[in-house]
Amino acid sequence: AQKVTQAQTEISVVEKEDVTLDCVYETRDTTYYLFWYKQPPSGELVFLIRRNSFDEQNEISGRYSWNFQKSTSSFNFTITASQVVDSAVYFCALSDLNSNSGYALNFGKGTSLLVTP
Amino acid sequence: SQTIHQWPATLVQPVGSPLSLECTVEGTSNPNLYWYRQAAGRGLQLLFYSVGIGQISSEVPQNLSASRPQDRQFILSSKKLLLSDSGFYLCACTPDRYGYTFGSGTRLTVV
Repeated sequence: AQKVTQAQTEISVVEKEDVTLDCVYETRDTTYYLFWYKQPPSGELVFLIRRNSFDEQNEISGRYSWNFQKSTSSFNFTITASQVVDSAVYFCALSDLNSNSGYALNFGKGTSLLVTP
Repeated sequence: SQTIHQWPATLVQPVGSPLSLECTVEGTSNPNLYWYRQAAGRGLQLLFYSVGIGQISSEVPQNLSASRPQDRQFILSSKKLLLSDSGFYLCACTPDRYGYTFGSGTRLTVV
């Protein structure tokens, strides 16, 4: 069965610090997709990134970067020079072919990030 | 790209009352549809998914039910709400398991 683990429940940093959110996944499939979503206090899920299992190239988008390592089944998310607006709950999620849930995204429990001035 | 309309945004209901949350999808046909629930301070739990009209699968036993009367309509219901049904409910869809779209959510408080 697929599983996504976000071991960090809450992280608190001071503005301008770098912060890394960890995500470890389990799947028996060789083809799968990994996602990161941001959930601000308003509740809606904001899509950040999608990665397929055949693309291990790391990605950078502005202050955000993602490190995908199949060898350790990890898909970590780093925010550089954090800002107060980055405060939110961040979810890592997995979708794979072996899913017997109609390809539903399987979410980690989320990491609550608080960035203080 | 697809869009999900989900309503209402906020709902306060007494224990024992019925519930109906509706979600409609635009911009795609025959999507897979999902209902998730997020209890306060917790992660997103898959409640139901549907791969076609009238096809509903439940992930966890609960006080809720779902229906898909039309291709792009997904309804979450309860005959009698419990306090434990309080939470944030999200509707989601994917036409291809590659791109997922989420509704804006319904915050349900059972009192």
